[in-house]
Amino acid sequence: KAGVTQTPRYLIKTRGQQVTLSCSPISGHRSVSWYQQTPGQGLQFLFEYFSETQRNKGNFPGRFSGRQFSNSRSEMNVSTLELGDSALYLCASSATGGARTEAFFGQGTRLTVV
Amino acid sequence: QKEVEQNSGPLSVPEGAIASLNCTYSDRGSQSFFWYRQYSGKSPELIMSIYSNGDKEDGRFTAQLNKASQYVSLLIRDSQPSDSATYLCAVNRDDKIIFGKGTRLHILP
Repeated sequence: KAGVTQTPRYLIKTRGQQVTLSCSPISGHRSVSWYQQTPGQGLQFLFEYFSETQRNKGNFPGRFSGRQFSNSRSEMNVSTLELGDSALYLCASSATGGARTEAFFGQGTRLTVV
Repeated sequence: QKEVEQNSGPLSVPEGAIASLNCTYSDRGSQSFFWYRQYSGKSPELIMSIYSNGDKEDGRFTAQLNKASQYVSLLIRDSQPSDSATYLCAVNRDDKIIFGKGTRLHILP
């Protein structure tokens, strides 16, 4: 069974640009969550999608947005990039989300903003 | 108060000894608890989940949960150099999985 696939693995962008990251969950999984990981803040929850609907959202500015398609693939978009957006962006898939969900991570996208 | 707190370490443990990793959480309504292992430059890997008070064993790993004390721990028996990694405690709160910042574990050969 294929794992969680994130593309691209690495990105370098300039301040003010926008970026779109992609996540394909494990086959059959309908929940996709996105996280930002930085050395100072650790893993921070961005948002979670289930059946094409955003169910949960973390405390990030509106420049961070996402969506989920009918095949459960998800994209995350960051507009007007700032230097502080440089981070490892991880997506995690789970079967249904919910209280006992077990989440499995992709390899991440390393975003560098210059 | 942070939602999920862990000692950042590093925690140094001799090879073959027991490594004990601890985590506290602030929300009494939390229902599910997880331990992830993250090697440097890699993504987190789920190693244990626990939902009820008590112990749960899986191979060399034992997770312990005490909801009254809002405390979760992970014991690693017969520690190996390959166990050297950052261990992330995670808590499901309102269907969001919230992570601690992790404890760096170093197994001394």
